Amino acid sequence: EVQLVESGGGLVQPGGSLRLSCAASGFTFNTYWMGWVRQAPGKGLEWVANTNAEGSERYYVDSVKGRFTISRDNAKNSLYLQMNSLRVDDTAVYFCVRTPAGGSGYWGQGTLVTVSS
Amino acid sequence: QLVLTQSPSASASLGASVKLTCTLSSGHSSNAIAWHKQQPEKGPRFLMKLNSDGSHNKADGIPDRFSGSSSGAERYLTISSLQSEDEADYYCQTWASGIWVFGGGTKLTVL
Repeated sequence: EVQLVESGGGLVQPGGSLRLSCAASGFTFNTYWMGWVRQAPGKGLEWVANTNAEGSERYYVDSVKGRFTISRDNAKNSLYLQMNSLRVDDTAVYFCVRTPAGGSGYWGQGTLVTVSS
Repeated sequence: QLVLTQSPSASASLGASVKLTCTLSSGHSSNAIAWHKQQPEKGPRFLMKLNSDGSHNKADGIPDRFSGSSSGAERYLTISSLQSEDEADYYCQTWASGIWVFGGGTKLTVL
């Protein structure tokens, strides 16, 4: 059974940092593009970042470039999102997502990040 | 610029059918998309990948009532025999040159 389990969310002050983790199981992790998608309260889905199967390519939405870093450890079947210089408008539920491009997308349950003073 | 456009809302009666539309921006009419469903207070769930020729791969456990089709830059999700649990937000997603793009979502109300 495919599982994506996020962790690392929480309350942080503006300007602070958080590191999100996603533990993957039930599939061959190192063959899939993976990404992070967020959803602010009451809003739609917004792509944040993704990376190719090897971790050699990384892409970001403009609003997080220079502040967030996506990475993966294929030996540990894990995906990460390092978030620095957090802003109030980064407040959202962050989902770990397996790419749907191959016909078999999958979502984690999400982890809430709240940026507030 | 790669953009997906969805109507903000749709409604249909219990037992009826509904067809949701996702429109690709100019120059991207050959893109495949994915459809996702998000029920209230839940995380999204992948429904299917839909290709430009209308062929689609559904996720395990998705009922036959859900089907996809394509015409030009339009991608459709048809839900037949509507049930109360189909009331949800439906999002389309596409990808190109490494980036992912989501539509704004359609809120489906089952009357």
